[in-house]
Amino acid sequence: EAQVTQNPRYLITVTGKKLTVTCSQNMNHEYMSWYRQDPGLGLRQIYYSMNVEVTDKGDVPEGYKVSRKEKRNFPLILESPSPNQTSLYFCASSFPPGQGVGIGNEQFFGPGTRLTVL
Amino acid sequence: AQSVSQHNHHVILSEAASLELGCNYSYGGTVNLFWYVQYPGQHLQLLLKYFSGDPLVKGIKGFEAEFIKSKFSFNLRKPSVQWSDTAEYFCAVMPSGGYNKLIFGAGTRLAVHP
Repeated sequence: EAQVTQNPRYLITVTGKKLTVTCSQNMNHEYMSWYRQDPGLGLRQIYYSMNVEVTDKGDVPEGYKVSRKEKRNFPLILESPSPNQTSLYFCASSFPPGQGVGIGNEQFFGPGTRLTVL
Repeated sequence: AQSVSQHNHHVILSEAASLELGCNYSYGGTVNLFWYVQYPGQHLQLLLKYFSGDPLVKGIKGFEAEFIKSKFSFNLRKPSVQWSDTAEYFCAVMPSGGYNKLIFGAGTRLAVHP
């Protein structure tokens, strides 16, 4: 089954304790992104990656890091989490513009990770 | 700056009522347009999308949306809602020629009462 998986699904941690949220896709997509969802703000992009070893900042990158060492994986790293990073996080993947089997630029989303930083 | 506005944050309807959720975007170039739905406790699912061609697009579960370029709008419609349509709906814009970045609206929470 084609899917984007995230782990963990729920995480409660304390300020300053480094954590990693994993994201993996099995659709051979080049593009991967991380978003955070906050009430009244919709989803905002944190980081994105166009391919292996190619990453760039989105709209709200402060306090986050990413890496793309393999095509299928795109982990999100919080080196020193703070309470304002309490949010619902989504990973997404897609083919680049113009590729894919008739699906255009549709992004496929993971199930989300609900993070609480105390 | 590019942005997406959804007119209603909360909508309450009775079953069988008609639905229209407004979405306007600010971007002068060519865009791809999407509506996503998020059922309680679930991840985002694509309802429908517009890339080019017929501005009236049909999606899953009886939803449709109309792209009106002159109004920078992409409103979502459904003639008769069901209780199972209770969810949060997000309009999103992807400026073409970029890297697949989606710009989301703030979302509209729809509650359908039996």
